[in-house]
Amino acid sequence: DGGITQSPKYLFRKEGQNVTLSCEQNLNHDAMYWYRQDPGQGLRLIYYSQIVNDFQKGDIAEGYSVSREKKESFPLTVTSAQKNPTAFYLCASSMERGLAGYFFGPGTRLTVL
Amino acid sequence: QKEVEQDPGPLSVPEGAIVSLNCTYSNSAFQYFMWYRQYSRKGPELLMYTYSSGNKEDGRFTAQVDKSSKYISLFIRDSQPSDSATYLCAMNPPGGFKTIFGAGTRLFVKA
Repeated sequence: DGGITQSPKYLFRKEGQNVTLSCEQNLNHDAMYWYRQDPGQGLRLIYYSQIVNDFQKGDIAEGYSVSREKKESFPLTVTSAQKNPTAFYLCASSMERGLAGYFFGPGTRLTVL
Repeated sequence: QKEVEQDPGPLSVPEGAIVSLNCTYSNSAFQYFMWYRQYSRKGPELLMYTYSSGNKEDGRFTAQVDKSSKYISLFIRDSQPSDSATYLCAMNPPGGFKTIFGAGTRLFVKA
């Protein structure tokens, strides 16, 4: 079955530690995205990648980093510079520019203690 | 002012009711409009997308776009308890890639 996997589902980290969230897709989509979801707020774009070895900052990229070495994979690192990292992180992919919508993964809940 | 405004609810209706969910937006350049359904602690799933103004129907769901008023709606007919979820509106500018999402409306359908 085609889809997006994110791991782990729940992640706990101590303040000051970097953490990497995994995102893998087998939909053969060129574009991939990372969004952050907080209670009472819409999804906010962190980074997106249109193609392998290329990515652009979204609206809230500070404190985050990404890589896109393979078409299938788009890992997100939450660094110690991110002031408020506790959130629900969603990875998505799309055909072309995503005008017809995204396919989302199940999400990773990150809690920084 | 946010680019996309969506009433967070919660909205509670009895089973079988017609549900109306709405969003307003400020950027007249938006051309592609989407509705997602998100169950608790899950990723959103795309329900419908429409281009420009007009209506689109898919089973019990109807999406409506009024670009002149910058207003979009999702109607759910014969609502079921399984429709209980958060509904997110979303929209794209012509260039794509940077979808803007509403905050979501939480819907409860009571059996």
